[in-house]
Amino acid sequence: NAGVTQTPKFQVLKTGQSMTLQCAQDMNHEYMSWYRQDPGMGLRLIHYSVGAGITDQGEVPNGYNVSRSTTEDFPLRLLSAAPSQTSVYFCASSYRAGRTDTQYFGPGTRLTVL
Amino acid sequence: AQTVTQSQPEMSVQEAETVTLSCTYDTSESNYYLFWYKQPPSRQMILVIRQEAYKQQNATENRFSVNFQKAAKSFSLKISDSQLGDTAMYFCAFMAGSGNTGKLIFGQGTTLQVKP
Repeated sequence: NAGVTQTPKFQVLKTGQSMTLQCAQDMNHEYMSWYRQDPGMGLRLIHYSVGAGITDQGEVPNGYNVSRSTTEDFPLRLLSAAPSQTSVYFCASSYRAGRTDTQYFGPGTRLTVL
Repeated sequence: AQTVTQSQPEMSVQEAETVTLSCTYDTSESNYYLFWYKQPPSRQMILVIRQEAYKQQNATENRFSVNFQKAAKSFSLKISDSQLGDTAMYFCAFMAGSGNTGKLIFGQGTTLQVKP
C-alpha cells in the first residue's frame, strides 16, 4: 500500500512551458485534492474532486487544470507556467469528502518556474 | 469566508518542556472541524490531532492536546515533554461542517524548534 504518490519530486520549468504533476493513490479514496504551499501563506486549495468524473475549483484555480478519469489518478496541469506558480504542490486524498475522514498527503512536488 | 490565523511564525522549546502553539479562526458556521498538521523537514504533512466543534471535550493524542475555546474561536496545541522529533512546522486548519467538500483552510504555519 503506497498511499499517495506524487511525481516528480522536483521540477524546473521556463516561463510558458507546460507540464503535468502526477498524483496517484491506491487506497480507493473517492476524494482527492491539490494544494499549493507558499512561504507565510500555509496551504491553499487549487482544485478538488469528490469522485471519478467530478472536479471543482478551490481557492486558487487560475492557471491550473485537472481531470479525474479514474479513482486512482488526479493529475494537475499547468498549461503555460508563470513565475508566480513557483511553489510546493501537495496532493491529498481521503475516503470521502467527509470531516471525519483523515486526509492523506503525498510527499509534495517542488516546482520552480524561471 | 473562513480564515485561520497563526500569529507565531517561529517558536522554540527545550527538550522535555511544554510548548503551546496558538491558532485563531473566524467563521459563521456553527458546525466545523479543526485540525493540527505537522510538517517535518521531510515535507510530509502528518495529521496530529482533530477536534469537532460540537464536542466540548478537548481532544488529546498522547503528548499532544488542544485547548478549544469555541466562543473565543481559539484552538491552541499543547505539546508536552517535547522531543527532538517534534521539530517541524505546524499548521492549524479548519473544515466547515456544511457542504461535504472536504476543503481544508490552513493557517500560515508556526515553525517549532526543539532544542537539546
